Amino acid sequence: AQSVSQHNHHVILSEAASLELGCNYSYGGTVNLFWYVQYPGQHLQLLLKYFSGDPLVKGIKGFEAEFIKSKFSFNLRKPSVQWSDTAEYFCAVNAWSGGYQKVTFGTGTKLQVIP
Amino acid sequence: DAGVTQSPTHLIKTRGQQVTLRCSPISGHKSVSWYQQVLGQGPQFIFQYYEKEERGRGNFPDRFSARQFPNYSSELNVNALLLGDSALYLCASSLSNTGELFFGEGSRLTVL
Repeated sequence: AQSVSQHNHHVILSEAASLELGCNYSYGGTVNLFWYVQYPGQHLQLLLKYFSGDPLVKGIKGFEAEFIKSKFSFNLRKPSVQWSDTAEYFCAVNAWSGGYQKVTFGTGTKLQVIP
Repeated sequence: DAGVTQSPTHLIKTRGQQVTLRCSPISGHKSVSWYQQVLGQGPQFIFQYYEKEERGRGNFPDRFSARQFPNYSSELNVNALLLGDSALYLCASSLSNTGELFFGEGSRLTVL
């Protein structure tokens, strides 16, 4: 069964610090990869996605992620965080499982940015 | 444009009762998925429906059931509620089979 691991459960950064959140998945076939974000009081929304092509993908609000196939990783990065980036971030993988496609989420990383 | 709408937003039930949660997808989206999110965890897949047919089911007991209607809206039913069913239930719709999901605000269920 496919699984998604997020290594950092809670991250605290000062504004302007750089961010990298780790995500690893276990699935040997073709996958589509996502990062979703949940801002306080809001619903889950898509931050960025990777289907194919350039393994470095850019999303909204200056976020980017790099797909490294050999490491089964899809880490999220941002060069300089802002207070408004305080949110919970979820890595997700879409892959075939048991005859259908299923999206599996990681446990999430809570990011707190201190002004 | 209206996003995914879910109702009710909050509800409280007692053990043994039954609950029905409702979801309306974004216009034009034919696929609806249901997820359970327990505090401190990521969303766990429950069901996916496409064109009114069940396309996938997660590791949940038979007390959980769902259906999709001709207008692509969906209901999630949970029978014989347990304390452990307390969670945020998320509905997501999608336009294609890429896995890109559009989520609603969720229905927060508390079982006492």
